[in-house]
Amino acid sequence: DAKTTQPTSMDCAEGRAANLPCNHSTISGNEYVYWYRQIHSQGPQYIIHGLKNNETNEMASLIITEDRKSSTLILPHATLRDTAVYYCIVRVDGGKLIFGQGTELSVKP
Amino acid sequence: ETGVTQSPTHLIKTRGQQVTLRCSSQSGHNTVSWYQQALGQGPQFIFQYYREEENGRGNFPPRFSGLQFPNYSSELNVNALELDASALYLCASSFQDSPGEQYFGPGTRLTVT
Repeated sequence: DAKTTQPTSMDCAEGRAANLPCNHSTISGNEYVYWYRQIHSQGPQYIIHGLKNNETNEMASLIITEDRKSSTLILPHATLRDTAVYYCIVRVDGGKLIFGQGTELSVKP
Repeated sequence: ETGVTQSPTHLIKTRGQQVTLRCSSQSGHNTVSWYQQALGQGPQFIFQYYREEENGRGNFPPRFSGLQFPNYSSELNVNALELDASALYLCASSFQDSPGEQYFGPGTRLTVT
């Protein structure tokens, strides 16, 4: 049970912002939202995580709705190298990451 | 800072054989997790080690076992290989107090024939 719902695939034009949505309507009050991505044939890469507040780092921004039932990962200026599968994960206790199917993001020139 | 490394990169085994996969943690990380990723699927959690003890296990049979060493490196052992063990095996390291922020290695591609 991944506890998250994401679109199967999305396209984005190079240089534009990529906004990847995630629904986690059953999230508990103390569960964080994590985002990872996996470029083809590589291991997953940690991107960002948050609990309630919006977060930003050098890779992306994470917007979490006030009711915490959904979130959006924003890549502000997508490049071809951002083409990957993006996973939204609600952490289960003990650091066991439960990956769903993720969103396959294709950045096109 | 050295990232997570795994060996070997690729491996071919025959059904019924045993296999050992190895992982070196990112410098300073004290927790190691192992995942299995079948083709076209997301990674599935196998187990986690902290202080050389198993610290959580997913829905995998006892044929899947592991070790963590004092230097935090780790091994994944699989006995009596079955065809459905063919997958990418991923190791991830983290700090125990930030367990959701995991850093993955490139994986070992295991093929069972």
